[in-house]
Order: sequence, then structure tokens, then C-alpha cells
Amino acid sequence: AQSVTQLGSHVSVSEGALVLLRCNYSSSVPPYLFWYVQYPNQGLQLLLKYTSAATLVKGINGFEAEFKKSETSFHLTKPSAHMSDAAEYFCVVISSNTGKLIFGQGTTLQVKP
Amino acid sequence: ETGVTQTPRHLVMGMTNKKSLKCEQHLGHNAMYWYKQSAKKPLELMFVYNFKEQTENNSVPSRFSPECPNSSHLFLHLHTLQPEDSALYLCASSQEHGQGPTGELFFGEGSRLTVL
Repeated sequence: AQSVTQLGSHVSVSEGALVLLRCNYSSSVPPYLFWYVQYPNQGLQLLLKYTSAATLVKGINGFEAEFKKSETSFHLTKPSAHMSDAAEYFCVVISSNTGKLIFGQGTTLQVKP
Repeated sequence: ETGVTQTPRHLVMGMTNKKSLKCEQHLGHNAMYWYKQSAKKPLELMFVYNFKEQTENNSVPSRFSPECPNSSHLFLHLHTLQPEDSALYLCASSQEHGQGPTGELFFGEGSRLTVL
């Protein structure tokens, strides 16, 4: 069965610094992977998705993620953090058995001035 | 603005009350979902409707009762809830093509429920 693990429930970076949010997946078949973002007092919003077309996926707001099969990882990065990036980020995989979305526990990103 | 509107945004109710959460999507999607978001827990799928038919009930207690009168509206009727049901309830919609889930959900801003 598919699953995702987000390493670190809280990440704090300074404004302008690199953002790296880690996600590892478990899957016996090629996975469909996603990152969603939830800004304060809002619902979730799709940031980017991987569907095997390209290993480096670009999303909105300057974020990108790289699918690494050898490491079973799908880490989310952004070269330079903005204050507006402060939010909770969820790594998500689609279960090949049920078709359901399986959400990670989430990582809260804090951006310090 | 995601095209998915939830009302009310905040709701406080006693354990003996009956209330409803409403969700409306303006995206022309054919699938709608209820999720529960509790602190320190992964998002929990509660119900799924495809073309107004319930296709998923994820072992949700009967004190939660969904209703989908058409493909644009989704309700969650609440009665005799417990304090542990306090959470953010998120509605989402998607356009499914019959070849497996797309994974692309559009979420509303949620209804924050507090049960006293």
C-alpha cells in the first residue's frame, strides 16, 4: 500500500533562504505524487503534481519538486523564501488500490524576517 | 477564490443540537468530498460523491449524514455530536474522467466546528 512520510512537522527558514520540505513515499507501483499548501484560515490548494511525465516538476509560486525513485523521495524546494510562503504543506500520494488520496501529516513552514 | 464555497465558516454547537454545513462548487465538477482536519492528524476522507451518488463512506459515525441534491451542492448534517468531533471540515470538488482519480482537488476554506 502506498504511503507518504513528511520529515519534520515544523521547518523554520529566514526570508530569502532556501526552502526544503522533505517527503518520502512508499509504493510498489509508480506513484502519483502531489504537494498541497494550506495558507492560514484557508483550504488546501494544489501546488504541483508528479505523474511520471518529468522527474522535475514546477509548481506555482516558484516551488518545484524532484521525483527520485532511487531515494523514494519527492522533496519540495524553493530557492528563496518569502514571508507569504508561511503555510502548512502536505505531501500526497494516490493509493493504487483504492484511488484515494493519502495525505502526509503536514509540515508547517515558518519564514522569519 | 477557489470556486468552492463553504458556509458557515464557524459553527459552535451543543451536543444535542442539529446543524448543517453547506458546500457549493461553481466549477462544473462531477465529484465532491467531505474531509475532516483535526490538529496533529492527517486529513481524513469522510464521504465521496460522484455524479450525486455516494461512492465512499469512510466508516464515518452515523451522527454525520451527508446529502448531495445535485452535482453542485453538498451538505453535511450534524446531530448529537461529541466534543471530539470539533475540527475543520473541508469540502472539495474535482473533475473525474473515469480513468482513475486525478488527485486534483479544489478545496473550500472550511467550516470550523466547535462542539461544546
